Amino acid sequence: EVQLVESGGGLVQPGGSLTLSCAASGFSLSPYNINWVRQTPGRGLEWVSYISRTSITYYADSVKGRFTISRDNAKNSLFLQMNSLRVEDTAVYYCVRGRDDYSPDAFDIWGQGTMVTVSS
Amino acid sequence: DIQMTQSPSTLSASVGDRVTITCRASQSINSWLAWYQQEPGKAPKLLIYKASSLEIGVPLRFSGSGSGTEFTLTISSLQPDDVATYYCQQYNSYSPAFGQGTKVEIK
Repeated sequence: EVQLVESGGGLVQPGGSLTLSCAASGFSLSPYNINWVRQTPGRGLEWVSYISRTSITYYADSVKGRFTISRDNAKNSLFLQMNSLRVEDTAVYYCVRGRDDYSPDAFDIWGQGTMVTVSS
Repeated sequence: DIQMTQSPSTLSASVGDRVTITCRASQSINSWLAWYQQEPGKAPKLLIYKASSLEIGVPLRFSGSGSGTEFTLTISSLQPDDVATYYCQQYNSYSPAFGQGTKVEIK
């Protein structure tokens, strides 16, 4: 089965750091562009970051300079390093696959999501 | 950044009804629009891409249309399995943006 599985979420204090991981199974990550999208009840779905198959990266203005996306094709995995976390970063974070080789793109495979809570 | 506005926010209809959801972009996005279905407690699922192309495995009662700034998602005959929140998403330019969602309920 083609799937993405996120891990690494949890509770962290404001100003703290957290690294999310995303493991692909049932397909090879290397030919695909991958994104992180987050969701909150108040702000809905929000695109966070993108990494191309050639490791070109983009970030939403709200996380630029604080979050870093990376990939390890040998491990079939993707990462999101989150620093200087704020209360407003609290959300469910989804790892999502770009459907075609467009930038940006529609998202055809979504992970189950991992919850990040930033609170003192 | 391009803003996406969906209407209505909530929709209640009977089984078998034809249902239409509208999505408007703040500027032209050509046909770079996707529609997603999110059931409670689950991740979103891609239904439509490039405004009108049906994703593999999606029932034929779902269809999309539009270009430029105005788009619609139509469910030709509403089924109980269609109870969900539906989102549009533009991917014409960064940052890719989602609409606020339309919750579909059975009357």
